[in-house]
Amino acid sequence: QVQLVESGGGVVQPGRSLRLSCPASGFTFSTYAMHWVRQAPGKGLEWVAVISYDGRNKHYADSVKGRFTISRDNSKNTLYLQMNSLTAEDTAVYYCVRDLIGSGGEDYWGQGTLVTVSS
Amino acid sequence: EIVLTQSPGTLSLSPGERATLSCRASQSVSGNYLAWYQQKPGQTPRLLIYGASSRATGIPDRFSGSGSGTDFTLTVSRLEPEDFAVYYCQLYGSPWTFGQGTKVEIK
Repeated sequence: QVQLVESGGGVVQPGRSLRLSCPASGFTFSTYAMHWVRQAPGKGLEWVAVISYDGRNKHYADSVKGRFTISRDNSKNTLYLQMNSLTAEDTAVYYCVRDLIGSGGEDYWGQGTLVTVSS
Repeated sequence: EIVLTQSPGTLSLSPGERATLSCRASQSVSGNYLAWYQQKPGQTPRLLIYGASSRATGIPDRFSGSGSGTDFTLTVSRLEPEDFAVYYCQLYGSPWTFGQGTKVEIK
């Protein structure tokens, strides 16, 4: 079965960095675009970034552009999110999500990893 | 960037009633890449509808989606107790965009 397991979250001071990882299994990772989506406590869903299946194309939400970098290693079936210059507004649960296009009506989300930015 | 606006913010209904949720896009949505999700407290979102009107795997037929262009609707024909939750619409052509959500609560 498809599994996405985020890790790397935790408590970090404002201005510091954090790197999230999301190893994938149960599907051909190298054929799907992958996304990061976040949800601040008590708030709605916010799309963060997407990377194409081959890693060549990346897009970011305006709120993280220039601070976050999405990447992938298809040899390790792993998605990453490098987060720099973190602020309190980045506090959220971060989800690794498989792209919907070509999914045949099936969505796959990781369980999420909590990032708390606080001094 | 396309913005999705959901209405109403909160819908207060009783079990057995019909729920109609709206999602309006600021520009026409190409390819009908519009999805609906359900999220309950402490859980990850669950895909209900994709392609504006196709039910996702395992979703009961009381859930239906319709619309095109800029106006989309999620309808729950008869609310079951487990349907009280927050619902999000989403554009899933790259990049993604989510609406702000509609909470369906028990009246």
